[in-house]
Amino acid sequence: GESVGLHLPTLSVQEGDNSIINCAYSNSASDYFIWYKQESGKGPQFIIDIRSNMDKRQGQRVTVLLNKTVKHLSLQIAATQPGDSAVYFCAESYTGRRALTFGSGTRLQVQP
Amino acid sequence: DGGITQSPKYLFRKEGQNVTLSCEQNLNHDAMYWYRQDPGQGLRLIYYSQIVNDFQKGDIAEGYSVSREKKESFPLTVTSAQKNPTAFYLCASSRTVINQPQHFGDGTRLSIL
Repeated sequence: GESVGLHLPTLSVQEGDNSIINCAYSNSASDYFIWYKQESGKGPQFIIDIRSNMDKRQGQRVTVLLNKTVKHLSLQIAATQPGDSAVYFCAESYTGRRALTFGSGTRLQVQP
Repeated sequence: DGGITQSPKYLFRKEGQNVTLSCEQNLNHDAMYWYRQDPGQGLRLIYYSQIVNDFQKGDIAEGYSVSREKKESFPLTVTSAQKNPTAFYLCASSRTVINQPQHFGDGTRLSIL
């Protein structure tokens, strides 16, 4: 069945370092991918998305990489700051499924 | 400011009681969604609506009901048939249902008395 999962449940990094959060997906038909950040007690906040016709997309301090060959998605955060501490979710969808399927999340902890 | 408003922030339900969670958006989005989040887990889709007067079951619709009488409003009722309702409920909206970012409210935490 379709599933979206994460390799590491918790990632701890030093302030100023770059962070990489990984996500695997199983549905080869998936054509839309998105990353969210969720702080405690709040709703998920959109970070960046990417469509399957791309393999890289950059935003402010963030980059999403998509490897369709191995069904892998990653979120890179440059110069990680304490305010980046949160749970990060990847989600995916495909034409015909009119909703997102979410992974279980990775907690990012930024050490000062 | 445009956004999604969920209310109340905290809600308590007694046994055998139905409760309704409110979700309002002023983003002029056609599509709206309800998700359930359990501790330490991702989001699971309960219901979604592509357009006014239309809605579809998600992956875990049993024990829940919705309505979409207005574009900006998508209330969720947690019925007494939902035996494990304690969770964090999140409402989202997007311009359309296909390959668009969903924007979320700040959730309602439902607990059983």
